[in-house]
Amino acid sequence: NAGVTQTPKFRVLKTGQSMTLLCAQDMNHEYMYWYRQDPGMGLRLIHYSVGEGTTAKGEVPDGYNVSRLKKQNFLLGLESAAPSQTSVYFCASSLMRPYNEQFFGPGTRLTVL
Amino acid sequence: DAKTTQPNSMESNEEEPVHLPCNHSTISGTDYIHWYRQLPSQGPEYVIHGLTSNVNNRMASLAIAEDRKSSTLILHRATLRDAAVYYCILRDVGFGNEKLTFGTGTRLTIIP
Repeated sequence: NAGVTQTPKFRVLKTGQSMTLLCAQDMNHEYMYWYRQDPGMGLRLIHYSVGEGTTAKGEVPDGYNVSRLKKQNFLLGLESAAPSQTSVYFCASSLMRPYNEQFFGPGTRLTVL
Repeated sequence: DAKTTQPNSMESNEEEPVHLPCNHSTISGTDYIHWYRQLPSQGPEYVIHGLTSNVNNRMASLAIAEDRKSSTLILHRATLRDAAVYYCILRDVGFGNEKLTFGTGTRLTIIP
């Protein structure tokens, strides 16, 4: 049982490049989330999904797109990376009831030059 | 979302109890109180949550004030591994309120 895994762990992009971050969970969780964390700050929700084929905007969705084609995977895309998107990205998953705990992945450190 | 207020930082000696306070004066009747912690260079991990009554689990205890406007996370015997940022988060139990809203938390330093 690997829990929540994220690929890649580190990435450096140039401004304008695109990339996709992959999140996978093996706990059969309905809900999945993408957060970003900037230095010295708490996590902010980018997008989330309440089930396969569904997505919804969080607090800071601009510049990102997401897809949930399979229940176990949640993809975060940056179509045209900007230096302001330099951050650590965390994926999380949880069971359906909203007050259940969220399980977080180890994070992806992204630098946009 | 109702907001929480936590001290920016706290220190505690190893093997002593730690009491981490959180104020949430605008809490609503359907808000659960959640605590997460984030160890250095890791994702957050769940610690405990409660609604009205005090709660205990293997990691910690949660003491909730009778008026629910404040709560305290209690680590009974701090170890060096407990050094982390602790987040107190209110989460509405209503369906459709899926997100966790993180503040800046309390950075706990454990002194050997």
